[in-house]
Amino acid sequence: DTEVTQTPKHLVMGMTNKKSLKCEQHMGHRAMYWYKQKAKKPPELMFVYSYEKLSINESVPSRFSPECPNSSLLNLHLHALQPEDSALYLCASSQGTPTYEQYFGPGTRLTVT
Amino acid sequence: RKEVEQDPGPFNVPEGATVAFNCTYSNSASQSFFWYRQDCRKEPKLLMSVYSSGNEDGRFTAQLNRASQYISLLIRDSKLSDSATYLCVAGGNYQLIWGAGTKLIIKP
Repeated sequence: DTEVTQTPKHLVMGMTNKKSLKCEQHMGHRAMYWYKQKAKKPPELMFVYSYEKLSINESVPSRFSPECPNSSLLNLHLHALQPEDSALYLCASSQGTPTYEQYFGPGTRLTVT
Repeated sequence: RKEVEQDPGPFNVPEGATVAFNCTYSNSASQSFFWYRQDCRKEPKLLMSVYSSGNEDGRFTAQLNRASQYISLLIRDSKLSDSATYLCVAGGNYQLIWGAGTKLIIKP
């Protein structure tokens, strides 16, 4: 029943692969986010898009590259990842600024081998 | 000092009991506060926003104490399905600041 969808649910990739994570929200929200979450830790903010423009990049390595094709879609392009990048990648959206309630998609569980 | 602090638990509570969590935040300028619930290997789900006047949603009550900079969550008549990790969140200058979560286990 989530209004934020993410694909794929699971992804296994090698360190030389290139892959993309996709997120779509159906709530008319104007801010979208990528988070990374490791086991037993809270979500860690990676990127914020506000009105389709990248507004926050939390010093994320360049092997992660976000893209916002329109106000409902958010992609995360992955290249040359490391095993320590294995985590749950969560997409979220909110109505306004990042301090509003955020609604999360189900996540993509990424394993880098 | 962490920006948002919670007791990690676990809290082991019998079904039907009342359980309360507290959480402290360090940024006195925070204007928004939330409780999220996260089940194992799932995404966080918004449980409640926390307002200055306090708010209640069924068995759940949230309170904000600005003077002492803490928020609380009370769960009454706990159910087995309430077992989860509860994340306390405060609005920071430009993002949400997450606590590490409190694990709750409801036992039959």
